Amino acid sequence: KQEVTQIPAALSVPEGENLVLNCSFTDSAIYNLQWFRQDPGKGLTSLLLIQSSQREQTSGRLNASLDKSSGRSTLYIAASQPGDSATYLCAVRPETSGSRLTFGEGTQLTVNP
Amino acid sequence: NAGVTQTPKFRVLKTGQSMTLLCAQDMNHEYMYWYRQDPGMGLRLIHYSVGEGTTAKGEVPDGYNVSRLKKQNFLLGLESAAPSQTSVYFCASLRDQSYNEQFFGPGTRLTVL
Repeated sequence: KQEVTQIPAALSVPEGENLVLNCSFTDSAIYNLQWFRQDPGKGLTSLLLIQSSQREQTSGRLNASLDKSSGRSTLYIAASQPGDSATYLCAVRPETSGSRLTFGEGTQLTVNP
Repeated sequence: NAGVTQTPKFRVLKTGQSMTLLCAQDMNHEYMYWYRQDPGMGLRLIHYSVGEGTTAKGEVPDGYNVSRLKKQNFLLGLESAAPSQTSVYFCASLRDQSYNEQFFGPGTRLTVL
């Protein structure tokens, strides 16, 4: 059974700092990996999606990497801002699950002004 | 496009009451999903549908029923609510299996007393 773990569970940083969020998964047979952002009381917004054949994806100040063989992904946020404060969720789409996603528990990020 | 919408946004039930949560999408997506989100548990798949008239069980289906009579709507029913069903419920949709990105609704916060 695929399991997804995110470390740390919570992170507090000063504004302007570069930071890395980690995601690990137990079964490397994945179709893709997706990073989401969730604001308090809101739904999920997709940030980046990495196909299993890709190594990384970039969008603005965000960069996500994927090492499928070792079961790891990182989300790098450059020059963090208070508006980046949210919970970040990692989800994998296993090869054998059809379209279903398996989620990690998330990392709650606070960026202090 | 409104994307994925959920009705209601909040609801309080007493143990044993029934209710139906409605998810609607206007993107002509084939696949639809119901997740629940609980502290420390991440998002877990309840039921999903791969097309109009089809439904399938996810990871935590017990105590829930679903129907997909119209392509744009996916209903989640609780026949006899229990306190363990207190959670935030999210609906998501996907164009079809060849696509990657699931789009999420804003969520329904349900409390069962």
